[in-house]
Amino acid sequence: NAGVTQTPKFRVLKTGQSMTLLCAQDMNHEYMYWYRQDPGMGLRLIHYSVGEGTTAKGEVPDGYNVSRLKKQNFLLGLESAAPSQTSVYFCASSYTGTAFVYGYTFGSGTRLTVV
Amino acid sequence: GEDVEQSLFLSVREGDSSVINCTYTDSSSTYLYWYKQEPGAGLQLLTYIFSNMDMKQDQRLTVLLNKKDKHLSLRIADTQTGDSAIYFCAENSSGGSYIPTFGRGTSLIVHP
Repeated sequence: NAGVTQTPKFRVLKTGQSMTLLCAQDMNHEYMYWYRQDPGMGLRLIHYSVGEGTTAKGEVPDGYNVSRLKKQNFLLGLESAAPSQTSVYFCASSYTGTAFVYGYTFGSGTRLTVV
Repeated sequence: GEDVEQSLFLSVREGDSSVINCTYTDSSSTYLYWYKQEPGAGLQLLTYIFSNMDMKQDQRLTVLLNKKDKHLSLRIADTQTGDSAIYFCAENSSGGSYIPTFGRGTSLIVHP
């Protein structure tokens, strides 16, 4: 099925550990995004990418790194996890130009707990 | 900067109409969206409206846009328990950035 796939769906990390969240889309979308969702805070943009090989910072980029080596994949890395990074992480992708009217396609999320 | 505001909660009885409201500040908004998030899932696009439209209807959903007041609403007719979810309003300007601004979401609770 076409869409955005996130792996893993759940993860528990100890403080200081590292991990990578993978996002893959098969819709040939140019733009890809990583958001975090916390209770009462809505969605906050971490990083985004406007195309293969490019990345940019969003609203809350500290403590995260990203890479987009292939158009269909967008990786989110936590080098040294902290309890404040406990959250639900969503990846999204979209067309650009006039097709942006169709909005984002979201993945189903990764629930990360840092203890 | 841009801001999108929504009330956090709405409770309705099954069969009644629900109206979820949203206000935004960016007068250059081109597209406005409603997304639905069911428990444990990602956001799903429900509907969108162009800024040059006043109303859009899609089955049980009616979107109203008041550009003068920068107010967007989503009306769900004959609300069902399956409509219980978080509804996000989002807007995107025509300035070339494909990064919408999202509201914090309204939790719709439908009770029998």
